[in-house]
Amino acid sequence: GQNIDQPTEMTATEGAIVQINCTYQTSGFNGLFWYQQHAGEAPTFLSYNVLDGLEEKGRFSSFLSRSKGYSYLLLKELQMKDSASYLCAVRDGGQNFVFGPGTRLSVLP
Amino acid sequence: GAVVSQHPSWVICKSGTSVKIECRSLDFQATTMFWYRQFPKQSLMLMATSNEGSKATYEQGVEKDKFLINHASLTLSTLTVTSAHPEDSSFYICSATSVLSYEQYFGPGTRLTVT
Repeated sequence: GQNIDQPTEMTATEGAIVQINCTYQTSGFNGLFWYQQHAGEAPTFLSYNVLDGLEEKGRFSSFLSRSKGYSYLLLKELQMKDSASYLCAVRDGGQNFVFGPGTRLSVLP
Repeated sequence: GAVVSQHPSWVICKSGTSVKIECRSLDFQATTMFWYRQFPKQSLMLMATSNEGSKATYEQGVEKDKFLINHASLTLSTLTVTSAHPEDSSFYICSATSVLSYEQYFGPGTRLTVT
């Protein structure tokens, strides 16, 4: 079967750095995506990794290790508006997107 | 570019009635459209995948006779919830992909409430 795992909830302080981990086991692999989702809204795209290594985009970075089935999303200089759910998703061999359970991040002042 | 719209953004209907949700890719041709359902405090669950001109592929546990999907053109897919019940109340989100990008582009979602 297909399985993606993330921590359910995380809490961090404004200005800090937080790392959200994601492990996956899927039938085939065509890339790993991170999305941010605020309550009542559709997800918004944050990052895409298809090769091993780190992708950096402003305050957000994402890392992938295909051999370990592991990724993380790193958020730097946390802001209150970063409080949201963060979804890890893998595009599998059938080109479908398989979503993890999401991590609810709360940023405290 | 790559904008996906959904209509309506929210709908309230009575139990037993049917509701149609439209998903349109506004500035690109969508080779594939995905329909997701999301319950409160849960992640997105894929309901079905549809390709233009062919029958939708439904995920295990999703009743294809209850959730009718039509993908009549490269820019429009519709989801009809037939004989809706209160347990069908959820946030329905569509997304679209094209051959030109690895991404999926999400619509804004439709909140369905069945009373």
